Amino acid sequence: GAVVSQHPSWVICKSGTSVKIECRSLDFQATTMFWYRQFPKQSLMLMATSNEGSKATYEQGVEKDKFLINHASLTLSTLTVTSAHPEDSSFYICSARDPGSTYEQYFGPGTRLTVT
Amino acid sequence: GQNIDQPTEMTATEGAIVQINCTYQTSGFNGLFWYQQHAGEAPTFLSYNVLDGLEEKGRFSSFLSRSKGYSYLLLKELQMKDSASYLCAVSGGYNDYKLSFGAGTTVTVRA
Repeated sequence: GAVVSQHPSWVICKSGTSVKIECRSLDFQATTMFWYRQFPKQSLMLMATSNEGSKATYEQGVEKDKFLINHASLTLSTLTVTSAHPEDSSFYICSARDPGSTYEQYFGPGTRLTVT
Repeated sequence: GQNIDQPTEMTATEGAIVQINCTYQTSGFNGLFWYQQHAGEAPTFLSYNVLDGLEEKGRFSSFLSRSKGYSYLLLKELQMKDSASYLCAVSGGYNDYKLSFGAGTTVTVRA
């Protein structure tokens, strides 16, 4: 199946700093990528839909100025958590839709963010 | 809005069968997915149903009834490695491919 990578796999940062997470589709071009957040023992919550060459679409309650998404190419989307706080500590997962597949999304391995 | 319900936890014995139910009420429906997720890892795709009926894939089967807003995932011949969280997800929009996830069912397989 298709492969999606994320970098870094884990990161620790101090309150007030910004962190960038990369999501790459390695063997296909993804016009659409999705960013999810998952707190411990909870399910995935969709944060935003990232479309190549256009602005991201954010879900209700997600601050677009805090979670900056850039989908500059067909294989790369980035999520920047700005002015991070401890409550932003979570597991961030991206997925990418393969246009060649009618329905399947491929998930990245996730990034564990800890804000101290 | 989207409302997707599944049991929180289930326990079964190695070699047994477990059925995980999922009920949904969504503003649209464009398919139902089941994913497996081990702790600290990303979800992996198990099955997709868009029409009513049973889809069988090896030890895993998934059933859908659109009129009842109901699906189940059947795991047969349970193995220890099947201990994981199983997520039910619904694609609600036509052409937007967004997924709404249930809270997940943690399955523990005991020897």
